Amino acid sequence: QVQLVESGGGVVQPGRSLRLSCAASGFNFIRYGFHWVRQAPGKGLEWVAVIWFDGDNENYADSVKGRFTISRDNSKNTLYLQMNSLRAEDTAVYYCARDPLTLPYFDYWGQGTLVTVSS
Amino acid sequence: QSALTQPASVSGSPGQSITISCTGTSSDVGTYNYVSWYQQYPGKAPKLIIYEVSNRPSGVSNRFSGSKSGNTASLTISGLQTEDEADYYCSSYTTTSTRVFGGGTKLTVL
Repeated sequence: QVQLVESGGGVVQPGRSLRLSCAASGFNFIRYGFHWVRQAPGKGLEWVAVIWFDGDNENYADSVKGRFTISRDNSKNTLYLQMNSLRAEDTAVYYCARDPLTLPYFDYWGQGTLVTVSS
Repeated sequence: QSALTQPASVSGSPGQSITISCTGTSSDVGTYNYVSWYQQYPGKAPKLIIYEVSNRPSGVSNRFSGSKSGNTASLTISGLQTEDEADYYCSSYTTTSTRVFGGGTKLTVL
């Protein structure tokens, strides 16, 4: 069955960096695009970034552009989110989500990993 | 990119029908039939319930239906059940190849 398992969250000071991972299993990883979506405590969903199946195309929300980088390792079936220059407002649960690319939607989601930016 | 507009809350009694609206712009909902809807229980990951405006994934109850007119999409839940009490989010593809979510709607089944 399709599984997406995020890891790498934790408490980090403002201005520091953190890298999230999302390990995928149960399907052909290279045939799908992937997104990171975040949810601040008690708030709604916010789209963060997308990467296409080949890793050559990416796109970002304005709120993270220039600070976050999405990437993937198709040999390891793993998605990443490198987060630099973290701010308090980046505090959220970060979800990875699969995108079939034939139609743009999120068909499977991981359970999320919490990132807390605090001094 | 501004969030899509959803009502903060809706409520209904078991057996009734409710509709949640999702209003965007010509940069997203109005241009593409790529609106999807997600159900989220507290502390859980979102789950896809509608894609491409009105299509249901396998396993999703036919009590959930979607539609769109102009810049506004809608999710209708018929025959409300207590287990439908959750948060609901719409999402759309945009003209800049990004995605945008609505602010979310809390459904209370009275």
